[in-house]
Amino acid sequence: GIQVEQSPPDLILQEGANSTLRCNFSDSVNNLQWFHQNPWGQLINLFYIPSGTKQNGRLSATTVATERYSLLYISSSQTTDSGVYFCAVEPGGTSYGKLTFGQGTILTVHP
Amino acid sequence: AAGVIQSPRHLIKEKRETATLKCYPIPRHDTVYWYQQGPGQDPQFLISFYEKMQSDKGSIPDRFSAQQFSDYHSELNMSSLELGDSALYFCASSLAFLGSPLHFGNGTRLTVT
Repeated sequence: GIQVEQSPPDLILQEGANSTLRCNFSDSVNNLQWFHQNPWGQLINLFYIPSGTKQNGRLSATTVATERYSLLYISSSQTTDSGVYFCAVEPGGTSYGKLTFGQGTILTVHP
Repeated sequence: AAGVIQSPRHLIKEKRETATLKCYPIPRHDTVYWYQQGPGQDPQFLISFYEKMQSDKGSIPDRFSAQQFSDYHSELNMSSLELGDSALYFCASSLAFLGSPLHFGNGTRLTVT
């Protein structure tokens, strides 16, 4: 099956710092989503981005489908950004919605 | 905007008991998915339904079953619970076209003692 690798596995920042999270995937995909799992366990959909670039406030994401990677940028980080960031892909040729998740990046933002 | 509703939020069961989790998808979404997330793990696909028919199956134990009803809500039934079934169970919904984004509920945290 498709492999999804996220880096770094852990990231510790001071409030106000910027960061880049990376997601590499091993095959073509129909769908790529970035999620933030907060300390209460909620999975919050950040971006649906199978290709191209999107921005939402302090967050932005870029997926280069031909090179099989996606990047999530967090600028001016805040303590509420802490949690686990997951990249999830729907491989090409599979049924709808069968997402394969990466192992996540655990982000801790200190005040 | 309406989101995916899951109930209950928390559930505590003893070994060998049965549990039922409920999911109400976003209105007009015709596809429902169930995912299981163990402690410190990433979510794993269990099963999906399109228009009330099972559309795909992942690593779902035989002790688990699920169905989607005429009003599109779905239930995940788990029998003979084991300690290893303790996890966060997510339901998600989407429209049935390729690449449609999934929208996840807040999850049900199941603890088996």
